[in-house]
Amino acid sequence: DIQMTQSPSSLSASVGDRVTITCQASQDIGHYVSWWQQKPGKAPKLLIYDASTLETGVPSRISGRGSGTDFTFTISGLQPDDIATYYCQQSANLLITFGQGTRLAIK
Amino acid sequence: QVQLVESGGGVVQPGRSLRLSCAASGFIFSNSGMHWVRQAPGKGLEWVAVTSFDGSNTYYADFVKGRFTISRDSSKNTLYLQMNSLKPQDTAVYYCAKGRGFCAGSSCPLEGHWGQGTLVSVSS
Repeated sequence: DIQMTQSPSSLSASVGDRVTITCQASQDIGHYVSWWQQKPGKAPKLLIYDASTLETGVPSRISGRGSGTDFTFTISGLQPDDIATYYCQQSANLLITFGQGTRLAIK
Repeated sequence: QVQLVESGGGVVQPGRSLRLSCAASGFIFSNSGMHWVRQAPGKGLEWVAVTSFDGSNTYYADFVKGRFTISRDSSKNTLYLQMNSLKPQDTAVYYCAKGRGFCAGSSCPLEGHWGQGTLVSVSS
């Protein structure tokens, strides 16, 4: 199975800050990475798919990049509503795997 | 709009069985691969299983292989997860989620359409 190593596991930043989360795949997965936001008690929300494509309705201050084994997710201009846990996820084959998650807090 | 509604969760003893259902609407169910994903209390997301558009191809995470079966009934627009030989570590919220496309090939990306989840608690 393809492992997704996500870091950091938690992070605290101020409103307006730029925040970056990284994910490393255990093998080349092309661009088959999605990023998800999850708030307590809710289903995950898709933010980015195919490494860099924004899901409809997601603000442009959110971005993703990468290919192969190394991927990044960035929020430019952190907002209070961004408090959530974020997950990377690969779909290079039929056995989907998620990263461990990053819990984002506001300072 | 796409809607997925899970049901069938509850409290069950270790070793027993449970069947989850996911009622789909708002899209052509028979044209879409479908997934089950779970989340144990306070833990991360864990993919469980996927089925192709017609149910002819199914794949499972190692930790459920041989115990869980994913299936679908397109006449009822419903996805199922039959869970046998349940263990306490299967305790989780189980979500159904729509796949991108027919999912008859080598990958089946998750779309952003998920149900609200149904809680399965395995305890004596």
